[in-house]
Amino acid sequence: DAKTTQPPSMDCAEGRAANLPCNHSTISGNEYVYWYRQIHSQGPQYIIHGLKNNETNEMASLIITEDRKSSTLILPHATLRDTAVYYCIVRPVFNDYKLSFGAGTTVTVRA
Amino acid sequence: GAGVSQSPSNKVTEKGKDVELRCDPISGHTALYWYRQSLGQGLEFLIYFQGNSAPDKSGLPSDRFSAERTGGSVSTLTIQRTQQEDSAVYLCASSLASGGSSYEQYFGPGTRLTVT
Repeated sequence: DAKTTQPPSMDCAEGRAANLPCNHSTISGNEYVYWYRQIHSQGPQYIIHGLKNNETNEMASLIITEDRKSSTLILPHATLRDTAVYYCIVRPVFNDYKLSFGAGTTVTVRA
Repeated sequence: GAGVSQSPSNKVTEKGKDVELRCDPISGHTALYWYRQSLGQGLEFLIYFQGNSAPDKSGLPSDRFSAERTGGSVSTLTIQRTQQEDSAVYLCASSLASGGSSYEQYFGPGTRLTVT
């Protein structure tokens, strides 16, 4: 599977957009980009995923570069409850069910 | 709708005792997964169910670990003769699954197991 690189930590002001980068330069054409987050003492939470096109849902937007070597997760209006570790992973389209998280980015939203 | 639920939320047991951890997946999800997460560590895959069968048990750390799923719904993870290294948060996830495609997995809150 393609590996991902994320900054270890970032701070964000409450009410502002949080832009979380992820590099996946070895991604192949049949691999999705997935984002999960884990709030302290809770199970991981699915956020969003995409293949080529940008995606948006009620939680976030995912911007994938045209060459697919990097992506950005955007939390449009960060709240204190968005403080969590955010994981960017790549998964094959078929037959991959073992989620494997790296270190992720620890996002701290400050009032 | 209801998410994945797990019970108990916390379990403290003595070394050598057996424990059972329960997972109720999201209704209609045919795939179910068990992971564990040790303090400050990433996810460790344990086992995957498709319906009631387990095509992949490769992550079970030893023969003290077993899991079953009945009725295509509830799953139980059993750890026999617990050891201190079994202390971790045990996470269950479920997903829609068909044709071998990857689907997003939805996690429960986990069971924190402490072996003293």
